Amino acid sequence: GQNIDQPTEMTATEGAIVQINCTYQTSGFNGLFWYQQHAGEAPTFLSYNVLDGLEEKGRFSSFLSRSKGYSYLLLKELQMKDSASYLCAVKDSNYQLIWGAGTKLIIKP
Amino acid sequence: GAGVSQSPRYKVAKRGQDVALRCDPISGHVSLFWYQQALGQGPEFLTYFQNEAQLDKSGLPSDRFFAERPEGSVSTLKIQRTQQEDSAVYLCASSLAFVDGSYEQYFGPGTRLTVT
Repeated sequence: GQNIDQPTEMTATEGAIVQINCTYQTSGFNGLFWYQQHAGEAPTFLSYNVLDGLEEKGRFSSFLSRSKGYSYLLLKELQMKDSASYLCAVKDSNYQLIWGAGTKLIIKP
Repeated sequence: GAGVSQSPRYKVAKRGQDVALRCDPISGHVSLFWYQQALGQGPEFLTYFQNEAQLDKSGLPSDRFFAERPEGSVSTLKIQRTQQEDSAVYLCASSLAFVDGSYEQYFGPGTRLTVT
């Protein structure tokens, strides 16, 4: 079967750095996406990785290792507005997005 | 507006009623997706359209679920004889290019369906 694993919840302090991990087992791989979802709102796109390595975009970076079936999202200089769920999704061999359950990130002052 | 819109935002249906959920994608977007999201879970794929063609409906949970996009823009997800297990948020997303591209999906705000 296909599986995406993420921690259920993480807590971090405002101004700090947090790393959210995602491991996946899917039938094929055609890219990995990270989305942010605030409670009661739609998911919004953060990043896309298809090749191994680190993609940096402002305070957010995403890393991929295809051989390990592993990705992480790194958030720097955390702000209170970063409190949200972070969803990892992998595009499989049928180009269908398989989603993790999301990691709820709680930011404390 | 410039984004994906969905209506209604909230729907309460009595068990056994039929419901219709509407999605207006971003103008010009080729691909359109429907997802079901339970509380505390990630979205689960329901179906995918490329223009007006429904290319994948493997995620529809039963034959009570039906989706259409007759003119390649607006889409409707219909659920017949609703059951309590259908209660969830139904998300619609659109994407500029074909499904095999790297383009991200843009999501609407969702319709929260509660079946009583």
